[in-house]
Amino acid sequence: KQEVTQIPAALSVPEGENLVLNCSFTDSAIYNLQWFRQDPGKGLTSLLLIQSSQREQTSGRLNASLDKSSGRSTLYIAASQPGDSATYLCAVRPPETSGSRLTFGEGTQLTVNP
Amino acid sequence: ETGVTQSPTHLIKTRGQQVTLRCSSQSGHNTVSWYQQALGQGPQFIFQYYREEENGRGNFPPRFSGLQFPNYSSELNVNALELDDSALYLCASSFFGGVATQYFGPGTRLLVL
Repeated sequence: KQEVTQIPAALSVPEGENLVLNCSFTDSAIYNLQWFRQDPGKGLTSLLLIQSSQREQTSGRLNASLDKSSGRSTLYIAASQPGDSATYLCAVRPPETSGSRLTFGEGTQLTVNP
Repeated sequence: ETGVTQSPTHLIKTRGQQVTLRCSSQSGHNTVSWYQQALGQGPQFIFQYYREEENGRGNFPPRFSGLQFPNYSSELNVNALELDDSALYLCASSFFGGVATQYFGPGTRLLVL
């Protein structure tokens, strides 16, 4: 059974800092990994998707890496801003023949202080 | 291109009642998945529908059931509500096959008293 763990559970940083969020998964047989952002009481916004054959993806100040063999992914946020405050979730998708169900971690709650 | 929409946004029910939640897929998508997110937890997969049939189910009892309609919209039905069913219910749509990025709706907040 796939299990996804996110560390740390919560993080508070001053504005402008660069930071790294960590995600680990127990079964390396994945199709892709996706990072999401969730604002309080809201739905999920997809940030980055990394296919199992890829090593990283970048979008603006965000960079996500994937090391499938070790079961790890990191989300790097550069020059953090108060508007980045949210919960960040990673999710893995099993191989394509198993459907597109996602297994999520419990998230990292990020607070960026002005 | 329209996004994923869900209704209602909030709902209050009492234990033992039944509830129906609705989801409209993003234009061009043919697969709908439902997730339950308890407070402070990550979303848990309930089930997925493709071509109007259930195509995968998580660890949820049969009182959680669903439908997908020809226009790819979907319903989640929960019978005999329990207090632990209180959660945010998220719907996600995607196109079956390929990368199939899932796009999530805003969710329905269900409170069972």
